[in-house]
Amino acid sequence: GAVVSQHPSWVICKSGTSVKIECRSLDFQATTMFWYRQFPKQSLMLMATSNEGSKATYEQGVEKDKFLINHASLTLSTLTVTSAHPEDSSFYICSARKDFSYEQYFGPGTRLTVT
Amino acid sequence: AQSVTQPDIHITVSEGASLELRCNYSYGATPYLFWYVQSPGQGLQLLLKYFSGDTLVQGIKGFEAEFKRSQSSFNLRKPSVHWSDAAEYFCAVGEGSSYKLIFGSGTRLLVRP
Repeated sequence: GAVVSQHPSWVICKSGTSVKIECRSLDFQATTMFWYRQFPKQSLMLMATSNEGSKATYEQGVEKDKFLINHASLTLSTLTVTSAHPEDSSFYICSARKDFSYEQYFGPGTRLTVT
Repeated sequence: AQSVTQPDIHITVSEGASLELRCNYSYGATPYLFWYVQSPGQGLQLLLKYFSGDTLVQGIKGFEAEFKRSQSSFNLRKPSVHWSDAAEYFCAVGEGSSYKLIFGSGTRLLVRP
């Protein structure tokens, strides 16, 4: 149990367009979902924390108007990169945690390339 | 503020040799500690975790880690490395009531045949 999926696994978009990434917990209800960004050969950088039905909490330095997060249900969170630019190209990973648990279950990641 | 240090950026070991990956943390209270593994282009898989109790924790794939409060360390070990263990390894500490994870910078493990 505790499987998290992401869709798409990779996406290429043109500069100036928006792209949406979905994160789903397949077999459990996720109290909280987290969105991370990972540059090549670097660690994960937490972008934001989202709880179902409430606004996401963004980490310092993350543009909330650029990275829109919606957590509409206990099994789905979406990250929309608006007006994407080449510098937004990265590997985006989501995770989800169950109630009363520190453990996070990670999705396989989405590779975004902006041309 | 909490922090995690993985002092080794790269480690190369021969297949069959033992392995120890170092992790040091900074945290005021009893930490929740994790080791994750990431294969190229993949998400993270939990190897093991420490919340309380026995300081020697057994994980998947033959890994273990020992929590040493006096040294603020949570080193990952494996007695005999397999070629499939080549990957990036991340140590993480849970941060208070936010349930966030603070990750170390990672250690890339290379396995010589």
